Amino acid sequence: EDKVVQSPLSLVVHEGDTVTLNCSYEVTNFRSLLWYKQEKKAPTFLFMLTSSGIEKKSGRLSSILDKKELFSILNITATQTGDSAVYLCAVDGASGSRLTFGEGTQLTVNP
Amino acid sequence: EAGVTQFPSHSVIEKGQTVTLRCDPISGHDNLYWYRRVMGKEIKFLLHFVKESKQDESGMPNNRFLAERTGGTYSTLKVQPAELEDSGVYFCASSQDGWLAGDTDTQYFGPGTRLTVL
Repeated sequence: EDKVVQSPLSLVVHEGDTVTLNCSYEVTNFRSLLWYKQEKKAPTFLFMLTSSGIEKKSGRLSSILDKKELFSILNITATQTGDSAVYLCAVDGASGSRLTFGEGTQLTVNP
Repeated sequence: EAGVTQFPSHSVIEKGQTVTLRCDPISGHDNLYWYRRVMGKEIKFLLHFVKESKQDESGMPNNRFLAERTGGTYSTLKVQPAELEDSGVYFCASSQDGWLAGDTDTQYFGPGTRLTVL
């Protein structure tokens, strides 16, 4: 059975700090890894990673995938209170595009 | 462009009752997915429609759950009769091409329906 593990499960930082969120996976037929941000309701899409070593960036957020070691990291630099959310990692590893999710990392950024 | 919408946002019912959740995907998206998050657990896949056809329903927990997507547009998920363990947040997601494109297509999520069974 496919499995995704995120760490830490919870993280509290101060504004301006840099954070690194981790996601490891065990899946068959890996196709992609996705990061989502969930603030109150709908998880919103951040990144899709399919190739090792290629960093994806969007503003202060960046992510990279290591397909040999089966993990991904999500970095957030110069954190702001608006970055407070649950960050979800999901992997598409089976036929039919079903996503397998980790439990998520609850990030709290204090002023 | 409107995102994925779900109705209702919250439903409270008693054990044994029936509830129907609705999902309207992004216009033009052939692929529609249902997921569920129960308390303290990760989001888990329930089923996948391609247009009006069920592509994968291996995640449906039991035959008390019935999903439909008549006409290939919106979808409903009916729980009948509801049990206490059905409580959780039910998410719907849609994507344009999905597995048919031979590659992962981004799934966009709705805000979820929080179901509470008393």
